[in-house]
Amino acid sequence: KAGVTQTPRYLIKTRGQQVTLSCSPISGHRSVSWYQQTPGQGLQFLFEYFSETQRNKGNFPGRFSGRQFSNSRSEMNVSTLELGDSALYLCASSYSGAATNEKLFFGSGTQLSVL
Amino acid sequence: DQQVKQNSPSLSVQEGRISILNCDYTNSMFDYFLWYKKYPAEGPTFLISISSIKDKNEDGRFTVFLNKSAKHLSLHIVPSQPGDSAVYFCAASAGGSNYKLTFGKGTLLTVNP
Repeated sequence: KAGVTQTPRYLIKTRGQQVTLSCSPISGHRSVSWYQQTPGQGLQFLFEYFSETQRNKGNFPGRFSGRQFSNSRSEMNVSTLELGDSALYLCASSYSGAATNEKLFFGSGTQLSVL
Repeated sequence: DQQVKQNSPSLSVQEGRISILNCDYTNSMFDYFLWYKKYPAEGPTFLISISSIKDKNEDGRFTVFLNKSAKHLSLHIVPSQPGDSAVYFCAASAGGSNYKLTFGKGTLLTVNP
């Protein structure tokens, strides 16, 4: 079974641009969540999608948005990039995300650098 | 306000000895706790978990202990191996919403041969 796939692996953008990151979950998984990892803040929850609906959102500005398609693949978009958006963006998937003993499986992440 | 804290940014142990990684939390609504391991340039991988109704869970060389009254959990690795060298993240969730994990900032474990 293939794992969680994130593309691209690396991205370099300049301030003010926008970026779209992609995530393909494990086959059969319907919950996709996104996390931002920075050296100072660790991993922070961005949002989660299930059946094409956003179920929960973390404390990030509206410049961060996402969506999920009918095949459970998800995209994350960041508009008007700022230097502080430089981070590793991780996607994770699980069957439903709502069972206590469900595990989250993470992709390898997209390393975004904003210059 | 950090709800999950890993106060030791790094830990160094000798091969064969015990590694003890600690984690404290403040949110009493957390009812499920997990440890993830992360190598450079890879995503975190699940290691072991514990429900708040238990105080210990064991899986091979890895044991997690939970002290609810102290809001403290620890991960014991015995014996430690060089391949265990990685960043270890403590994480917690509440109310079955396991897609929304609150992570600590991680502890870099180095196991020296």
